[in-house]
Amino acid sequence: AQKVTQAQTEISVVEKEDVTLDCVYETRDTTYYLFWYKQPPSGELVFLIRRNSFDEQNEISGRYSWNFQKSTSSFNFTITASQVVDSAVYFCALSGGDTGGFKTIFGAGTRLFVKA
Amino acid sequence: AAGVIQSPRHLIKEKRETATLKCYPIPRHDTVYWYQQGPGQDPQFLISFYEKMQSDKGSIPDRFSAQQFSDYHSELNMSSLELGDSALYFCASSLRETLPGYGYTFGSGTRLTVV
Repeated sequence: AQKVTQAQTEISVVEKEDVTLDCVYETRDTTYYLFWYKQPPSGELVFLIRRNSFDEQNEISGRYSWNFQKSTSSFNFTITASQVVDSAVYFCALSGGDTGGFKTIFGAGTRLFVKA
Repeated sequence: AAGVIQSPRHLIKEKRETATLKCYPIPRHDTVYWYQQGPGQDPQFLISFYEKMQSDKGSIPDRFSAQQFSDYHSELNMSSLELGDSALYFCASSLRETLPGYGYTFGSGTRLTVV
């Protein structure tokens, strides 16, 4: 079975601090897809990034960066110089593969508070 | 670009009533997924449809049913509503022939409150 674990329930930082959100996943499939979504207080799910299991290159997009390590089954997300607008719940998710099919399995989410 | 449209955005129902949520996928998308997100919870997969046939089933209560129509829109019908059904219901759509997760787009959700 597929599973996504986000051990950090809540994180609180002060503006301009860097923060890393952890994500560990479990799957028996060799082909799978990992995602990060942001859910602001308004409730919608905002897509941030998709990574397939064959691409371990780290990615940077502005203040966001992602570290994918298959050896540890982790897909961590770092926000550099955090801002108050980054306050939201962040979900790591897993999809695809022979057993997972096309549905998306979400982690429990990490609530990030960024204080001014 | 067109997105996934969900209606209504908000819905308030009383216990034991029935509710119908609608989802209009991105044009040409043939697959629709429904998720339920309770307060403080992560989204949980309910059910999916491909070409009007149920393709996968998750933790969907028997009181709920869903279908996909010829125009690919989908409706989630919930009967005998309970207080615990209060949640944010997301619909997502994709094109089956694309790789899992690619082109997978969520709607803005319908917030159902059962009183």
